[in-house]
Amino acid sequence: DGGITQSPKYLFRKEGQNVTLSCEQNLNHDAMYWYRQDPGQGLRLIYYSQIVNDFQKGDIAEGYSVSREKKESFPLTVTSAQKNPTAFYLCASSPGTQETQYFGPGTRLLVL
Amino acid sequence: AQSVTQLDSQVPVFEEAPVELRCNYSSSVSVYLFWYVQYPNQGLQLLLKYLSGSTLVKGINGFEAEFNKSQTSFHLRKPSVHISDTAEYFCAVRTHSGGGADGLTFGKGTHLIIQP
Repeated sequence: DGGITQSPKYLFRKEGQNVTLSCEQNLNHDAMYWYRQDPGQGLRLIYYSQIVNDFQKGDIAEGYSVSREKKESFPLTVTSAQKNPTAFYLCASSPGTQETQYFGPGTRLLVL
Repeated sequence: AQSVTQLDSQVPVFEEAPVELRCNYSSSVSVYLFWYVQYPNQGLQLLLKYLSGSTLVKGINGFEAEFNKSQTSFHLRKPSVHISDTAEYFCAVRTHSGGGADGLTFGKGTHLIIQP
């Protein structure tokens, strides 16, 4: 089955710790995206990548980092600089940058 | 820059009644429009999209939406709702940008509550 997988489903972060959220797709899509969802706020774009080895900041990139070493993978690292990381994180991909985006099941990040 | 306004944060409706979820957008250029649905603790599922052509767009689960350029609206409708339609609904827009790969701009969502 083709699709987008995100792991883990729940993730706990301690103060000062960096954590990495996984996003993998087997749809052969070129573009991938990370969004953050807070209650009542809708989704906001963190980072996006049009092709391998390239990525761009979105609206709320501070405190986050990404890499795109393989077409199918776009991991997101939440660094200790992100002071309010508790949120639901959604990964998406699309065949090209102007095409429909498809979403993974999400990862909920909680701070201990 | 574009923006999306979903006018209602919550819409309670009785089962089998019709529903309309409102979405207005602002943009200085042409846009593509989307409606997504999110069930609790899940990702987003595409309901329907408007790219070009007919302004009335039909999607999955019996939903449809009409693009109105003069009113910059893209309201979502269903003639008869079911308990299973209880979910969060998001309207989203992206521009017809020639280059650049901006992500979608989302509204804040409308929680559709179906009452038996």
